[in-house]
Amino acid sequence: TQLLEQSPQFLSIQEGENLTVYCNSSSVFSSLQWYRQEPGEGPVLLVTVVTGGEVKKLKRLTFQFGDARKDSSLHITAAQTGDTGLYLCAGASGSARQLTFGSGTQLTVLP
Amino acid sequence: GAVVSQHPSWVICKSGTSVKIECRSLDFQATTMFWYRQFPKQSLMLMATSNEGSKATYEQGVEKDKFLINHASLTLSTLTVTSAHPEDSSFYICSAGLAGGPRVQYFGPGTRLTVT
Repeated sequence: TQLLEQSPQFLSIQEGENLTVYCNSSSVFSSLQWYRQEPGEGPVLLVTVVTGGEVKKLKRLTFQFGDARKDSSLHITAAQTGDTGLYLCAGASGSARQLTFGSGTQLTVLP
Repeated sequence: GAVVSQHPSWVICKSGTSVKIECRSLDFQATTMFWYRQFPKQSLMLMATSNEGSKATYEQGVEKDKFLINHASLTLSTLTVTSAHPEDSSFYICSAGLAGGPRVQYFGPGTRLTVT
């Protein structure tokens, strides 16, 4: 069974601070996605990374895929209240169509 | 592109009744759709994989006779919660993926089910 461990599970910070969320596994993934979900809504895709060592930037968000494609991180610079939400990582591997989801990180950015 | 809709967005039903939730891929065809259940502030729990034209594949512990899935066309999958009980109250989310490329899933907005 593949597992994706996310840390921290909960994070509460002040507006303007930086933060990093981690997604770790002992399994290799062919691609990894990050989603953000707001209360009462479905997850929204933020980014997909497919190459080991890949770094992608989306405004103040920086995503990195580990060299061995077993882990990933999401770094947010100068967090804003609008960044509040549940962040989920999800990995794809082999021929399975399902994604393996991480346990989620609930981020709260305080004004 | 890659928009998935769900209907209804919320529903309240009485214990013992059945509720049908629709999931549609609006601008693409999806041979495979997924149904998830989510509890507050927790991650997604995969219930089943819906395959167009064939039987759904259920995850361990999910009762297939209680959660009926039908994927009759390339743009529509339905989940019917039969004989609903209060413990079935939850947030149900569907997703669909594009063929080819990284295995990305696009999610619907979810359906909040409350069983009284």
